[in-house]
Amino acid sequence: DAGITQSPRHKVTETGTPVTLRCHQTENHRYMYWYRQDPGHGLRLIHYSYGVKDTDKGEVSDGYSVSRSKTEDFLLTLESATSSQTSVYFCAISEKRNTEAFFGQGTRLTVV
Amino acid sequence: QKEVEQNSGPLSVPEGAIASLNCTYSDRGSQSFFWYRQYSGKSPELIMSIYSNGDKEDGRFTAQLNKASQYVSLLIRDSQPSDSATYLCAVNYNYNTDKLIFGTGTRLQVFP
Repeated sequence: DAGITQSPRHKVTETGTPVTLRCHQTENHRYMYWYRQDPGHGLRLIHYSYGVKDTDKGEVSDGYSVSRSKTEDFLLTLESATSSQTSVYFCAISEKRNTEAFFGQGTRLTVV
Repeated sequence: QKEVEQNSGPLSVPEGAIASLNCTYSDRGSQSFFWYRQYSGKSPELIMSIYSNGDKEDGRFTAQLNKASQYVSLLIRDSQPSDSATYLCAVNYNYNTDKLIFGTGTRLQVFP
């Protein structure tokens, strides 16, 4: 299995609070992605990174920010959590452009 | 138009039959195509990647790509109940981006 660790695995938070999810990889892969998965919507890309300090928006980036200060870590921050951000969040990594991506175990986030 | 489209299913097939899963995509410039399997409550797992027109076989799985028709499919031969899962099609859009976009997935049910 690819060395990808997401933390926390489960979190319950209150509306309006900031939340940070962490993705840590030991594969030294260049590309990292954050997705959310909701019933009926499949996996939707939030943000992705193509190198240290290089990030770009995905399909559903509003309300989210990311940072990548080291190759191995990609942080996703919900600036002010809302109930609509209740979801399962997956991190994925990819070694090169246009190659397969491998997923972490996911983080289940509930905003109450 | 959605960038990657799949029939949500469920697709029900008897054990031992061939399951055929289909995916269409909108960007003619797409270069890389992937099939993932996801069991309920688990993270997506890569099962096939295909980059050029034609068929690619791996065990009981065959991926088929037709770039002219913007169509990619997955055939599962000798389907087993353990193949029951959601199958996700993913496409790498590389026009100045590194986005990996997923379809909503097709749920496959293999009954004994």
